[in-house]
Amino acid sequence: NAGVTQTPKFRVLKTGQSMTLLCAQDMNHEYMYWYRQDPGMGLRLIHYSVGEGTTAKGEVPDGYNVSRLKKQNFLLGLESAAPSQTSVYFCASSYEREPMGAQYFGPGTRLLVL
Amino acid sequence: DAKTTQPNSMESNEEEPVHLPCNHSTISGTDYIHWYRQLPSQGPEYVIHGLTSNVNNRMASLAIAEDRKSSTLILHRATLRDAAVYYCILSVYFGNEKLTFGTGTRLTIIP
Repeated sequence: NAGVTQTPKFRVLKTGQSMTLLCAQDMNHEYMYWYRQDPGMGLRLIHYSVGEGTTAKGEVPDGYNVSRLKKQNFLLGLESAAPSQTSVYFCASSYEREPMGAQYFGPGTRLLVL
Repeated sequence: DAKTTQPNSMESNEEEPVHLPCNHSTISGTDYIHWYRQLPSQGPEYVIHGLTSNVNNRMASLAIAEDRKSSTLILHRATLRDAAVYYCILSVYFGNEKLTFGTGTRLTIIP
């Protein structure tokens, strides 16, 4: 099993450009999450999904959109990138909902917005 | 939200046990205590979680105080690979599923 994979690993964007980050999991997990991690701070939840076709807002959803068209994939979109969105983005998935389910994280996508 | 307090950093000698403390004095009765760790340049990794009783798994042990206002993650025999940032997290359900990560404890293992 590959676990949780993220594409791309690194990306540089100019302000105003758009992009989509892809998260894929092969563990048949129902729940998927997108976090961002900034220097000196812990991870903050952006959006999450409790199943195929569902999405919900997390702690810091502004400026991001998500889609879960297939159970194994969770896409994070930036419609108009801003320098404040420079961060490392982590995707995670879990079989059960919190607080019972351990979350499995991907390796991260490092995004730089100039 | 109930919050956790952890030391910013700790050091431990290789092959010695490590006790990582976490205070959560405002924990509610239904909050689970989770521990994750993040190795350099990697995503967080689940370590262990518990509610009231002490828990053991192949990675670590979790000791929970009787009043649940604090807990301790125990690494029985630290190796260099255990050098990471360790996060103590309360799992809170308000209709939003979320883990709230703080800044954690940076554990340095001394050879």
